[in-house]
Amino acid sequence: QKEVEQDPGPLSVPEGAIVSLNCTYSNSAFQYFMWYRQYSRKGPELLMYTYSSGNKEDGRFTAQVDKSSKYISLFIRDSQPSDSATYLCAMKGGGFKTIFGAGTRLFVKA
Amino acid sequence: ETGVTQSPTHLIKTRGQQVTLRCSSQSGHNTVSWYQQALGQGPQFIFQYYREEENGRGNFPPRFSGLQFPNYSSELNVNALELDDSALYLCASSALGSGTSGWNEQFFGPGTRLTVL
Repeated sequence: QKEVEQDPGPLSVPEGAIVSLNCTYSNSAFQYFMWYRQYSRKGPELLMYTYSSGNKEDGRFTAQVDKSSKYISLFIRDSQPSDSATYLCAMKGGGFKTIFGAGTRLFVKA
Repeated sequence: ETGVTQSPTHLIKTRGQQVTLRCSSQSGHNTVSWYQQALGQGPQFIFQYYREEENGRGNFPPRFSGLQFPNYSSELNVNALELDDSALYLCASSALGSGTSGWNEQFFGPGTRLTVL
């Protein structure tokens, strides 16, 4: 079993839809939970991070962490074609190692 | 402020050869991490360098080695290349205080696409 599981998609939605992206994990030592966006032929860029459980909102993006269920989510409201990318969840404990999910490919159709 | 840069952009090698990939960290960052991203997969942690010392390593064999220089730039060396080494190699820099613990944002470069034939 992988430490972090993420459905690779692809996920195709119409412009303006609410997008829900999810990951599950098995390591209860994870403390930091991140979402990265990766465009084709580019490196990942950090969208949001959350420490421990709870919600965090930044513009159209909301990140949720449920440590009791070992489940994290990213919601994108009013999705735009420019949101089309691969979304990677990532997690780390107190140390140096970051573990990434496989990434979900998202397509937002105009 | 200059971001993370990597060279070369693309590279084609044959099985058994050796390769060196380069990374210049973002200004003010003292830590570099290297990741391997196979097609359709997320990045996998190879190792991290902090102040010119290897700070931690993932599940990669010893033929993956690295260096960090006094200006905090870094190299990734891979010996005896195998077909499965074909991937996007990403470098990420960050600014660590104590070296390992807590939150530190990583900034990724665009990667080097390595193809092994």
